[in-house]
Amino acid sequence: GQQVMQIPQYQHVQEGEDFTTYCNSSTTLSNIQWYKQRPGGHPVFLIQLVKSGEVKKQKRLTFQFGEAKKNSSLHITATQTTDVGTYFCAGAGNMLTFGGGTRLMVKP
Amino acid sequence: EAEVAQSPRYKITEKSQAVAFWCDPISGHATLYWYRQILGQGPELLVQFQDESVVDDSQLPKDRFSAERLKGVDSTLKIQPAELGDSAMYLCASSPWGTGIWNTEAFFGQGTRLTVV
Repeated sequence: GQQVMQIPQYQHVQEGEDFTTYCNSSTTLSNIQWYKQRPGGHPVFLIQLVKSGEVKKQKRLTFQFGEAKKNSSLHITATQTTDVGTYFCAGAGNMLTFGGGTRLMVKP
Repeated sequence: EAEVAQSPRYKITEKSQAVAFWCDPISGHATLYWYRQILGQGPELLVQFQDESVVDDSQLPKDRFSAERLKGVDSTLKIQPAELGDSAMYLCASSPWGTGIWNTEAFFGQGTRLTVV
């Protein structure tokens, strides 16, 4: 079945540093979605990438979808304490399969 | 703003007992998902419905878990008998249309935190 893997599992950064999480799927995806889950909360949708090689930006967040539609990345520039949480990618084929997530911790 | 409703929010049950969770998706959403999330891990898909039909339940432990969405609206997930390893957050999500290239964002409920003792 479809498997989605994310690295790293954890990342500690100093406020103002950049952060990147990587996502890889075992199969080609129809699209990839990114979610953020705050501690104690539920996953909240951030963005969806559909096209091969697509790049989208949301303020300090940059999302990329690989050419083969099997990998993706999320980059946060100049992290802030409000960025704390776990970031999940979710691969969309016939099902929506989540990766294990990258937990981001930001030191003020 | 429309939300996915789940109940109960918390459930403590004894091992070998039966337990049920309820989910009411956003009105008009054809796709409904049940996920299990163990602390520190990503959500694991248990079952995906498209209207009243099961799209995928390959990860659902069918000897003890069952799920239904009889009228293609709300859904119930049942565990019988519950085991200690079932302790987790059970998340329901819905999306307007969720298969293949038409897959769209999933809206999650607050979840039901199950503790089996």
